[in-house]
Amino acid sequence: DQQVKQNSPSLSVQEGRISILNCDYTNSMFDYFLWYKKYPAEGPTFLISISSIKDKNEDGRFTVFLNKSAKHLSLHIVPSQPGDSAVYFCAASDLGNAGKSTFGDGTTLTVKP
Amino acid sequence: EAGVAQSPRYKIIEKRQSVAFWCNPISGHATLYWYQQILGQGPKLLIQFQNNGVVDDSQLPKDRFSAERLKGVDSTLKIQPAKLEDSAVYLCASSLGSTGGDQETQYFGPGTRLLVL
Repeated sequence: DQQVKQNSPSLSVQEGRISILNCDYTNSMFDYFLWYKKYPAEGPTFLISISSIKDKNEDGRFTVFLNKSAKHLSLHIVPSQPGDSAVYFCAASDLGNAGKSTFGDGTTLTVKP
Repeated sequence: EAGVAQSPRYKIIEKRQSVAFWCNPISGHATLYWYQQILGQGPKLLIQFQNNGVVDDSQLPKDRFSAERLKGVDSTLKIQPAKLEDSAVYLCASSLGSTGGDQETQYFGPGTRLLVL
């Protein structure tokens, strides 16, 4: 039973356009959500997060949207750059359960010049 | 600020052998995590420490995997004996604590890539 799902294994966009990465979750106890970015042969690095009390969080070119009723979140990257090409993982935490995080399987983003 | 350190970076062993991985978290981070990442999947939590106590080890195969964080700083993860399906990247991460919000941000090491033949 996968509690965090990223249904698109891969996404390809043109440089300068918007990249939208999606994530769905099933556990209603999740109350904190994070996106991580991973380059080959490196560990994931934190990108952006959102608390369940918010529906949007923005940091430069990166915006995360949360729709609690649909149990869905998305990461928008505008404008996309070739350096954004990486694997993006969505993670969800239950802060009442020692903050244990559950990760999705990732989406590989390729930004073409 | 130094990041999370892990060693070795790569390890090749034969099945039924034992192997150990080491992790040194970011200084001052109370929480330490070990993840297993199989190719094509997301990281799966094996064990979570808060200081030197275990918070969650529900997904740790305890018949063959063990982990310790004796002084609440660095940690070792051991597999004995290894199986073919243990081939994966083992990631260590640390965070400030588990009291919520920004303290949940985990900082990952580069991982140890294990191949069991």
